[in-house]
Amino acid sequence: DAGITQSPRHKVTETGTPVTLRCHQTENHRYMYWYRQDPGHGLRLIHYSYGVKDTDKGEVSDGYSVSRSKTEDFLLTLESATSSQTSVYFCAITDRDNSPLHFGNGTRLTVT
Amino acid sequence: EDQVTQSPEALRLQEGESSSLNCSYTVSGLRGLFWYRQDPGKGPEFLFTLYSAGEEKEKERLKATLTKKESFLHITAPKPEDSATYLCAVQAVSNFGNEKLTFGTGTRLTIIP
Repeated sequence: DAGITQSPRHKVTETGTPVTLRCHQTENHRYMYWYRQDPGHGLRLIHYSYGVKDTDKGEVSDGYSVSRSKTEDFLLTLESATSSQTSVYFCAITDRDNSPLHFGNGTRLTVT
Repeated sequence: EDQVTQSPEALRLQEGESSSLNCSYTVSGLRGLFWYRQDPGKGPEFLFTLYSAGEEKEKERLKATLTKKESFLHITAPKPEDSATYLCAVQAVSNFGNEKLTFGTGTRLTIIP
């Protein structure tokens, strides 16, 4: 691993509850990304960050928000979880925006 | 819209039986094509980047090649530890940056001892 820790690794929550996933990196990389992975779909970008307090939306951002108050931490929040947000969530980092991504080992989220 | 199609969806090979995985892409202009390996319960692990048609990259039993329409991941004399899902992703010139990566759905490779 490229010094990326995602927490929790597994979570089960109920519809309508807020959920926050954390990505922590020790590489001091500028760029951080949140993806979701679902059967039949390629990895899809939710949100990304290009620096502290600098974030932008990805392809599937509805229902998600992010925050990055420190270089090493990128948080993904589901304000009110829905069953359609059941997925595996991956955090990725890179030092330049056209360099290969390095991924964490994911968080498996189940919304019941 | 950029598109990436990987085939086959799944492939089972005997140990030592060489084969190829395909990644077909449609982009307005290719900035780079990336191959990743993903083991169950893990995040994708970077393998190769290819930038222009004719380029080849090798790593152990894997060799990636690139044409103007597709990329192949050739696996020579595979071993059971090569079993994984292999993902392809493209980045277009007009959409510079990782936020514009388009991923395929992957090929699940199983090597039978």
